[in-house]
Amino acid sequence: DTAVSQTPKYLVTQMGNDKSIKCEQNLGHDTMYWYKQDSKKFLKIMFSYNNKELIINETVPNRFSPKSPDKAHLNLHINSLELGDSAVYFCASSHTGGNQPQHFGDGTRLSIL
Amino acid sequence: GENVEQHPSTLSVQEGDSAVIKCTYSDSASNYFPWYKQELGKRPQLIIDIRSNVGEKKDQRIAVTLNKTAKHFSLHITETQPEDSAVYFCAASPSGTGRRALTFGSGTRLQVQP
Repeated sequence: DTAVSQTPKYLVTQMGNDKSIKCEQNLGHDTMYWYKQDSKKFLKIMFSYNNKELIINETVPNRFSPKSPDKAHLNLHINSLELGDSAVYFCASSHTGGNQPQHFGDGTRLSIL
Repeated sequence: GENVEQHPSTLSVQEGDSAVIKCTYSDSASNYFPWYKQELGKRPQLIIDIRSNVGEKKDQRIAVTLNKTAKHFSLHITETQPEDSAVYFCAASPSGTGRRALTFGSGTRLQVQP
C-alpha cells in the first residue's frame, strides 16, 4: 500500500546509455514532481506536472524528458547519461493548490560508471 | 526565484537537550513552509509544516515558528532522542496556480548523543 512508489530503487549503468525511472502514486493527487538530490544532499526541483500537464521545468538539460500518461504516473527518461547525472532522484506528489504537503517516494539511486 | 538558506549545517546535542534549526527565505510570495526529516538512505518525510497565516505550530516535541516580516522560520525539537538523528530540511513554496514546487534549504545534520 505504498503511497508513492518508484522503480527501480537502484540503477547502475554506463555513460551514454538511455534509462527510465517510473513513478506511481495512489494518493489521488493530481500534481507530481521530480527532484534531484546530489552527493552533497541538495534537493532541487526538476519538473512538476499538474493533471498530466508540465508546469515547471527547472533548466534541466533536454536529455531529461518527463512523461505523464495519467495523473497517477510520472516517468523520467534520460538520454545519453553523463557522469554528472549520478544522484538520487525522488518522485513526489501532492494535491493541487497552494500549501499542500508533498509526499516523496523512496528514491532511485542512479550511478553512472 | 526563491532562495532558502538554512543554518547550521551540522548540529550535535546531548540526549534530552533542545535543538533549533533556522531558515530564511527571499520570496515574499512564499506562504507554505514544511520541514522534512531524512534518515540515511531514506526518503524525505514531512514532520511538520506551517502556513503564513499562523506564527507558530506545535506537535508534541516539535514546534515551528514563522516570522513573515523578517522572512525566517525555525524548527525546535525539545527533549531530543537518539532517533531524532537525521538530516533536516526546511523548504518554502508560494501558493496559487503555476509554480508550487518546494525550494529546499541545504539541510542540517542533527546528531543526538546518547
